[in-house]
Amino acid sequence: GENVEQHPSTLSVQEGDSAVIKCTYSDSASNYFPWYKQELGKGPQLIIDIRSNVGEKKDQRIAVTLNKTAKHFSLHITETQPEDSAVYFCAAIGYGGSQGNLIFGKGTKLSVKP
Amino acid sequence: DGGITQSPKYLFRKEGQNVTLSCEQNLNHDAMYWYRQDPGQGLRLIYYSQIVNDFQKGDIAEGYSVSREKKESFPLTVTSAQKNPTAFYLCASSPSWESNYGYTFGSGTRLTVV
Repeated sequence: GENVEQHPSTLSVQEGDSAVIKCTYSDSASNYFPWYKQELGKGPQLIIDIRSNVGEKKDQRIAVTLNKTAKHFSLHITETQPEDSAVYFCAAIGYGGSQGNLIFGKGTKLSVKP
Repeated sequence: DGGITQSPKYLFRKEGQNVTLSCEQNLNHDAMYWYRQDPGQGLRLIYYSQIVNDFQKGDIAEGYSVSREKKESFPLTVTSAQKNPTAFYLCASSPSWESNYGYTFGSGTRLTVV
């Protein structure tokens, strides 16, 4: 089945700098890759997603890139702000043994220092 | 507004007790999921339901039980057989098993054994 690895587990940046979080997946059949932001004590919220027919997607300060050949995708946050501080999860749809399930990475705790 | 409601937000369980966590959605989604979240472990799938009156075990189903008698509701029971139940529990739903593009989470229930 699908396996998703996420790095780094913690990331600290200065306000205004960029942050990059990377994920790799194992199942070449996966075709949907969402990113979730989880604030303390709350449920994860979808912030951006990408499907395998495109290589990059942007939404204001957030972008996601996908390299299907290498089986990795990344979240890019530019001009970081203190309110970007949260735990970020990547995910991929698992096919085969866990068909239809989103398989999540273990999360990255992002801290943006003012 | 449509969404997923989890209750209670905080729950305390004594040793040997069964407790039930509520999850209700008004998104008209067919598929629903329960995840357990521990620090540094990411999201682990407990049970999922593709459609009413059907549910399947996830990766860590031992000590848990579910029911899906109504499309809107997917309660999770943490039984006394679950030896380490203290965790943050998240319920989610998606339009259908085949379509995970609208994966939505509730705000979670924090369960503590006292």
